[in-house]
Amino acid sequence: KAGVTQTPRYLIKTRGQQVTLSCSPISGHRSVSWYQQTPGQGLQFLFEYFSETQRNKGNFPGRFSGRQFSNSRSEMNVSTLELGDSALYLCASSFLLNTGELFFGEGSRLTVL
Amino acid sequence: ELKVEQNPLFLSMQEGKNYTIYCNYSTTSDRLYWYRQDPGKSLESLFVLLSNGAVKQEGRLMASLDTKARLSTLHITAAVHDLSATYFCAVSLNTGTASKLTFGTGTRLQVTL
Repeated sequence: KAGVTQTPRYLIKTRGQQVTLSCSPISGHRSVSWYQQTPGQGLQFLFEYFSETQRNKGNFPGRFSGRQFSNSRSEMNVSTLELGDSALYLCASSFLLNTGELFFGEGSRLTVL
Repeated sequence: ELKVEQNPLFLSMQEGKNYTIYCNYSTTSDRLYWYRQDPGKSLESLFVLLSNGAVKQEGRLMASLDTKARLSTLHITAAVHDLSATYFCAVSLNTGTASKLTFGTGTRLQVTL
């Protein structure tokens, strides 16, 4: 079956702009979580959604937001982009909220100039 | 605050040799994950360890978990070049969700011919 799909795969923005990233989980998976990966900070948890509700949030400023739709697809938005937001943004899905395995997408690589 | 430490950060080993990657974490956890990441790629799930004493093996990789020592190991047996990648351990807290993971810094493994 199809894996976790993230779009776009690559994008370049300038400081001050905003960006929206999309994630389609594996069919039947209801939990979607987002992670930021940078060389300096490593992999950091952003937020998690289950049944259209945010269940957990990491330590990121309010410029980072997300949502989940009724079909479990999720989007995350970063407003007023800063250079430090350049990163690989990874989406992961799992079947239930408290299950054993997360499946990650290929990621969206954001470059902020 | 949960902290996850991996060592070594970088490992260069010859084909055919054995080695172990260590993952220490600071607070009680109900599950531990190992992931593999190839350059520019996403995270591939290797193992999910759910209980003290759990041991899982797949090919040349074997992972174990000691919850009392808050330690997991990833043992590589008779390394081959295809195992070259970055390996991450990740821990989830007993928060009722499996998706909020705290990742280690990663171990970059380079297997030389």
